[in-house]
Amino acid sequence: AQTVTQSQPEMSVQEAETVTLSCTYDTSESDYYLFWYKQPPSRQMILVIRQEAYKQQNATENRFSVNFQKAAKSFSLKISDSQLGDAAMYFCAYRSASGRTYKYIFGTGTRLKVLA
Amino acid sequence: DAGVTQSPTHLIKTRGQQVTLRCSPKSGHDTVSWYQQALGQGPQFIFQYYEEEERQRGNFPDRFSGHQFPNYSSELNVNALLLGDSALYLCASSLGHLVTDTQYFGPGTRLTVL
Repeated sequence: AQTVTQSQPEMSVQEAETVTLSCTYDTSESDYYLFWYKQPPSRQMILVIRQEAYKQQNATENRFSVNFQKAAKSFSLKISDSQLGDAAMYFCAYRSASGRTYKYIFGTGTRLKVLA
Repeated sequence: DAGVTQSPTHLIKTRGQQVTLRCSPKSGHDTVSWYQQALGQGPQFIFQYYEEEERQRGNFPDRFSGHQFPNYSSELNVNALLLGDSALYLCASSLGHLVTDTQYFGPGTRLTVL
């Protein structure tokens, strides 16, 4: 069974600085998708970024980028130029690309605090 | 473009009661997944509905059941509520025929069981 681990329960970053959130996963599959979701106090999970495992190039969305290390089964999220609005819970998630399973498997989350 | 909506926002029930939560998918989406998020935890997959049938189920007891309507909206029913059922229930929608499709989440329903 696949698992997702986020070992940092909480992180802090100064406004305008850069922070990296860690995520590791375990799977025997070769094709899958990885996601980072943001959950602000409003509770709605918002997709931040998505990575296809077959793509070697790391995904980037504006100030958000990932460092995807397939062999190490690592998928970290880098937030550049941190803003107060980035404060939230961040969840890493895994989804198989087998076409036989549709569920997302989430980690336990990292709470990000942004200091003014 | 309407996003995923859920109702009600909050709900308080007592042990042994039954509850029904509702979800309307994002415009154009035909698949609904339900997740349970306990306090301080990541969401756990309950089940997914596609073409009005349960397509996949997570490790949840039969007390958890669901339904999908022809307009793709969905209900989650929980019978014989336990204190441990207190959680945020999230609905996510997607396009069911696309293996690659991303799930988009609603704001959730906070269920408190007393």
